[in-house]
Amino acid sequence: RKEVEQDPGPFNVPEGATVAFNCTYSNSASQSFFWYRQDCRKEPKLLMSVYSSGNEDGRFTAQLNRASQYISLLIRDSKLSDSATYLCVVGGFKTIFGAGTRLFVKA
Amino acid sequence: GAVVSQHPSRVICKSGTSVKIECRSLDFQATTMFWYRQFPKQSLMLMATSNEGSKATYEQGVEKDKFLINHASLTLSTLTVTSAHPEDSSFYICSARDRPGLKNYNEQFFGPGTRLTVL
Repeated sequence: RKEVEQDPGPFNVPEGATVAFNCTYSNSASQSFFWYRQDCRKEPKLLMSVYSSGNEDGRFTAQLNRASQYISLLIRDSKLSDSATYLCVVGGFKTIFGAGTRLFVKA
Repeated sequence: GAVVSQHPSRVICKSGTSVKIECRSLDFQATTMFWYRQFPKQSLMLMATSNEGSKATYEQGVEKDKFLINHASLTLSTLTVTSAHPEDSSFYICSARDRPGLKNYNEQFFGPGTRLTVL
């Protein structure tokens, strides 16, 4: 089993759609959780940290369920500019990146 | 936010040559830097963790004699790919983490990456 697993994707959605990404992790001792965004041929950039209480930043909502070892990212009202690969990242002794889920938002 | 630079951004070299990639934290001191490699359409794979003033910790399967890492100061880590071969062609990305105890300690700040092509 991979240490961090994400939906395989790709997700193809129309503008304005709501899209949800899921991620599971295997190490129950993991301490920090993030969603990063990576555009084609660019470095990853932090989108948001994920907290047990859930957190929201504009159209983006992230949630963490420690009991189920599950992280989610919800994007509302998708924009063309949201097209990218979204990486689930789990930190602890080591930082582990998920393989990423590719999102295509179309007009 | 914290800025990490990487140099060069792109390098093309002949098989058998060595290539050095620099990673600098510009506005913060990074006791820990990470080196990743990413092949096309694949995930970031951690190669090694570089700690200032001590030897790097390499991930399983990464040859330490081939990928030399030096973290001589709190703002600079270098990765040298020795005797590069075509299969070493990849996107190499470094990241840096701020000092322990700071609020954003667990966040990693990424450099823009170096695209290495070995002919």
